[in-house]
Amino acid sequence: DIQMTQSPSTLSASVGDRVTITCRASQSISSWLAWYQQKPGKAPKILIYKASSLESGVPSRFSGSGSETEFTLTISSLQPDDFATYYCQQYNSYSTFGPGTKVDIK
Amino acid sequence: EVQLVESGGGLVQPGGSLKLSCAASGFTFSDSAMQWVRQASGKGLEWVGRIRTKANSYATAYAASVKGRFTISRDDSKNTAYLQMNSLKTEDTAVYYCTSDRVGPAYCSSSSCPMDVWGKGTTVTVSS
Repeated sequence: DIQMTQSPSTLSASVGDRVTITCRASQSISSWLAWYQQKPGKAPKILIYKASSLESGVPSRFSGSGSETEFTLTISSLQPDDFATYYCQQYNSYSTFGPGTKVDIK
Repeated sequence: EVQLVESGGGLVQPGGSLKLSCAASGFTFSDSAMQWVRQASGKGLEWVGRIRTKANSYATAYAASVKGRFTISRDDSKNTAYLQMNSLKTEDTAVYYCTSDRVGPAYCSSSSCPMDVWGKGTTVTVSS
């Protein structure tokens, strides 16, 4: 089974900050990685698929990069609506989620 | 409007069974693989399993933690997917989300796809 890790587990930031979250896979997953945003009490929402493709309607301040085993999600200028928990998901072999990164207010 | 609505959650004793439903609308259900994801309170997301389309023989796949106890099925005539849960354990307590796959070879690996539509979830509590 493919294991996913994320770092950091919690990130404290201010509005306007550039934020980067890292996701690592235990083996190569090519570019078969998605990123999701989840707010308390809500279902997750897809942001990025295939490592770097932005989902329709998602603000361009979100971007994804990486391949094989190392991936990043970057928020170029953090907005109040972006305080949430972010999960990566590999779908190269079935599916596995990372443990999540909570972005909270500094 | 594209929508998934889960139902069937509730309180069940350890060792019991429960069947969740996921009603889809606003898209061509029969063309989309469906997945179930769960989330225990205060915890992260856990993939439960997936069912493919008729064109892919309704093939299913499950997480190791539920394999042999949970069964995913679908009724394309009713635009509904199901999650039959047997031999339930306390650790199965979670919110269960139904999701639909992003359709298309450009988006998917040979094994799976990203999940582009999510229901609001239904809560399953396994307790005596």
